[in-house]
Amino acid sequence: GAVVSQHPSRVICKSGTSVKIECRSLDFQATTMFWYRQFPKQSLMLMATSNEGSKATYEQGVEKDKFLINHASLTLSTLTVTSAHPEDSSFYICSATGQGTDTQYFGPGTRLTVL
Amino acid sequence: GENVEQHPSTLSVQEGDSAVIKCTYSDSASNYFPWYKQELGKRPQLIIDIRSNVGEKKDQRIAVTLNKTAKHFSLHITETQPEDSAVYFCAASTGGYQKVTFGTGTKLQVIP
Repeated sequence: GAVVSQHPSRVICKSGTSVKIECRSLDFQATTMFWYRQFPKQSLMLMATSNEGSKATYEQGVEKDKFLINHASLTLSTLTVTSAHPEDSSFYICSATGQGTDTQYFGPGTRLTVL
Repeated sequence: GENVEQHPSTLSVQEGDSAVIKCTYSDSASNYFPWYKQELGKRPQLIIDIRSNVGEKKDQRIAVTLNKTAKHFSLHITETQPEDSAVYFCAASTGGYQKVTFGTGTKLQVIP
C-alpha cells in the first residue's frame, strides 16, 4: 500500500522559533498533499491543500504567513510553523493522494510542543 | 462548504456485539465517503470507503451503507473485538484531489 512518512515525529521548541515538518510519499507520486492539525480528543482540522509546483490553498482562519507550505516535488511537502507560540502546540498530520485516486494516505504525525 | 456530523461521540459495546456509527453530510456533490480508524497518538488508517454509485460495501466484519437521498452513511462493525477499540472518523469528499471533510469522531470502547 501507499506509504507516507513524516519527520520529525516529535519536536519541542522555544516560543518564537520556527519549526519545519517534512511529509514524504515513499512509493507513489503525490499530486496533492494535505496538512491537518489535531488537538487532543478532537477531529482533524484541515489547514491547507498543497499541489506540486503551485501555491497552497489555505482554509479559512489559517494564517498563510505563519504556516508556510512548500510542495516542491511530487514526493515532498513541508510545513513551517514560523514564530511558534504555545497555542501552536498540537499534532500535525499530513496526507497525500496519488494520481487517479480519491484515497488519502496519512503520515504518522508530528507532535509539536512549544514552550 | 461541506459539513459532516457524526454520532454518537462515544460508544461502549460488549465484545461480540455490533457497533453502528452514523454520519450525515450536507453537500449533495460529495461522492466519496471514507472511514478512518485512529488509535491514540497514531495516524488515521483507512478501513473502508464507499462511493456514491454504491449503496453498500462490506469487508469481513465491517460494512458501510450510504443513503444519498437522505445524505446519511453508516459504519457497521459486527462481532466486535477489543482491538476494535479506537476513535473512528467518517468523512466526505467530492472526490479526485479535493479535500476531505471529517466528522467529529466516535470513541469506540469494546469491553472484554
